[in-house]
Amino acid sequence: GAGVSQTPSNKVTEKGKYVELRCDPISGHTALYWYRQSLGQGPEFLIYFQGTGAADDSGLPNDRFFAVRPEGSVSTLKIQRTERGDSAVYLCASSRGMHTQYFGPGTRLTVL
Amino acid sequence: QKEVEQNSGPLSVPEGAIASLNCTYSDRGSQSFFWYRQYSGKSPELIMFIYSNGDKEDGRFTAQLNKASQYVSLLIRDSQPSDSATYLCAVRRYSTLTFGKGTMLLVSP
Repeated sequence: GAGVSQTPSNKVTEKGKYVELRCDPISGHTALYWYRQSLGQGPEFLIYFQGTGAADDSGLPNDRFFAVRPEGSVSTLKIQRTERGDSAVYLCASSRGMHTQYFGPGTRLTVL
Repeated sequence: QKEVEQNSGPLSVPEGAIASLNCTYSDRGSQSFFWYRQYSGKSPELIMFIYSNGDKEDGRFTAQLNKASQYVSLLIRDSQPSDSATYLCAVRRYSTLTFGKGTMLLVSP
């Protein structure tokens, strides 16, 4: 079956702008995760959804970051007033319950 | 502070040799342990996971876990040039994964 998909694959924006990143999980996976990966680092946890609710948002760096999953499937990560330090690859993963997480291809965000 | 430590490498091995990748973790409450492979410019791809102390084998890969020493390793037998990638160790407590920075493996023909 289809894997996790993410759009766009690349996003270039200017400092101060608002961006939305989309994740479509594997069908039937109830858990969805967002991670951020900077160059030379491992993925860093941002937020975890179980169904429609954010079960753990302890990794969000500040209140400029927000994520939703209104129908328990597709999720959108929203970043307000982007800063150059937000530049990274944003990875989405999904799992069936708390089993193995499968990653999408990521969105490379560049803030100029 | 949950930490996962890996040597960044690169670890260089000749084709056909055994590559040994190591990882230590600080959270004694960690429940399961994962190895992901990441090719340059690509997303992490699961290789295998382990829950219990001891060894777990899957093809050319063997994961080893020692909870008392808080140590996880991955052995790759008969290394191939296509194994050249960054290997990420991740530990799970409850729902989320904490990753190390990864070890770069280079397998020379």
